[in-house]
Amino acid sequence: DTEVTQTPKHLVMGMTNKKSLKCEQHMGHRAMYWYKQKAKKPPELMFVYSYEKLSINESVPSRFSPECPNSSLLNLHLHALQPEDSALYLCASSPPDLNTGELFFGEGSRLTVL
Amino acid sequence: AQSVTQLGSHVSVSEGALVLLRCNYSSSVPPYLFWYVQYPNQGLQLLLKYTTGATLVKGINGFEAEFKKSETSFHLTKPSAHMSDAAEYFCAVSEGSGNTGKLIFGQGTTLQVKP
Repeated sequence: DTEVTQTPKHLVMGMTNKKSLKCEQHMGHRAMYWYKQKAKKPPELMFVYSYEKLSINESVPSRFSPECPNSSLLNLHLHALQPEDSALYLCASSPPDLNTGELFFGEGSRLTVL
Repeated sequence: AQSVTQLGSHVSVSEGALVLLRCNYSSSVPPYLFWYVQYPNQGLQLLLKYTTGATLVKGINGFEAEFKKSETSFHLTKPSAHMSDAAEYFCAVSEGSGNTGKLIFGQGTTLQVKP
């Protein structure tokens, strides 16, 4: 299994809703990431989990709350989002040997905030 | 700090023509360099990578790139473009050793392939 699976593929939510994005990988990778991508722009790093511990938070607003329940799962909890948070949210993982920098990306969850 | 510059936000070629997408980087340490491709409404897929060793790197779908330290470049080429190559291409550099996941991406180049 060489995939990173993200659900849902599409999500529409109001500014008062609470929703979650989910990511799963079964490649034995011990680092997992959330990236945000706006249209026609490169992905921007949001969070990095290494061995299930949050290692990087790129000053992301608290309305985004990551969670890593185990080494295969990564969640992104969403609450009180703004329309400008509408974007493609990409999950990625990397192998135990972190030195190559290679990331394996999921297909993304496209979020629309009304 | 590391950075990546992709020259040309939009490149258009005819089917069968040479594809050349340009990438220059800045790094104070030996870089790890990557090219990713993104098809519409999909995630990023690794085309190829340079870490150490041979400077000419071959990737998937007939793409290759050459690491030129003296020019701080990592340009992506394909001898003959196919319609299916139309996509967004991102050059990226890994920030430092140990990989924190902080890939530094270029702004991307949209490749259009005309029949």
